[in-house]
Amino acid sequence: DIQMTQSPSSLSASVGDNVTITCRASQVISDYLAWYQQRPGRVPKLLIYAASTLQSGVPSRFSGSGSGTDFTLTIRSLQPEDVATYYCQKYNSVPLIFGGGTKVDIK
Amino acid sequence: QVQLVQSGAEVRKPGSSVKVSCKASGGTFNLYAFNWVRQAPGQGLEWMGGIIPVSHTQSYALKFQGRVTITADESTSTVSMELTYLRSEDTAIYYCALVPENRYFSYMDVWGEGTTVAVSS
Repeated sequence: DIQMTQSPSSLSASVGDNVTITCRASQVISDYLAWYQQRPGRVPKLLIYAASTLQSGVPSRFSGSGSGTDFTLTIRSLQPEDVATYYCQKYNSVPLIFGGGTKVDIK
Repeated sequence: QVQLVQSGAEVRKPGSSVKVSCKASGGTFNLYAFNWVRQAPGQGLEWMGGIIPVSHTQSYALKFQGRVTITADESTSTVSMELTYLRSEDTAIYYCALVPENRYFSYMDVWGEGTTVAVSS
C-alpha cells in the first residue's frame, strides 16, 4: 500500500503566523489528495480536495498545493480557531490512506 | 445539504459483533458513495471500507476483510457497518462519511457525528 507521511507531527505557532504542513506519498498519486481539519473532540472536516481546490465555506487563508508525491497545506495568518489536527488523505485508488496527522496549537 | 445521522454508542464484549447505522437526509442517496472511517482513542483516521449504494459495490481495507460488512438500504437511505469478532483494539469512534459521487475512492465532504464503540470484558 501507498504510505502517506506528514510532517511535522506537531507544531506550535503564534496567532498571525503562516503555517505549512507537508504530506508525502510513497508513490505518485497525481492530485488525488485531500486535507481535513479535526478540532479537538470534533468530527473531521474537509478543507481541500484535488490537492488545491478549497471546499466551499472554508476560509481562504487555507490553501493547498502539490502534485505527484509532495503536497503542502498552508494556513496563512493562523487564527485561534485553527487549533486542530490536520490530516492528508490519498484517494487515487483503494485503500484510502490517511497521513498520521499534524497537531497545530497556539504558542 | 446532506446530513448523516449515526446510531448511538455501543458497548460490546470481546468476540461479539456490532452494527452501526448511518441515515442520510437532504440529498439523493443514489448519487453518492459512503465510507466508514474509524479513530481509536488518541489515534489517527483509518479507512475501513466503502459502498456505492446504486450498485451495492463494496470495497474493504485488507485489515478488516472477513470481519466487516457494509450494506446500503436505499428504501431508508441508510448505510450500515457490521464488525464481527470484536477485540479490545476495536474500541474507537466509527464515522460514516459521504463521497459526493458514485465512487468510494474519493474525498469525503460530509461526515456523521461518529459512534463510539467500546469493547470490554
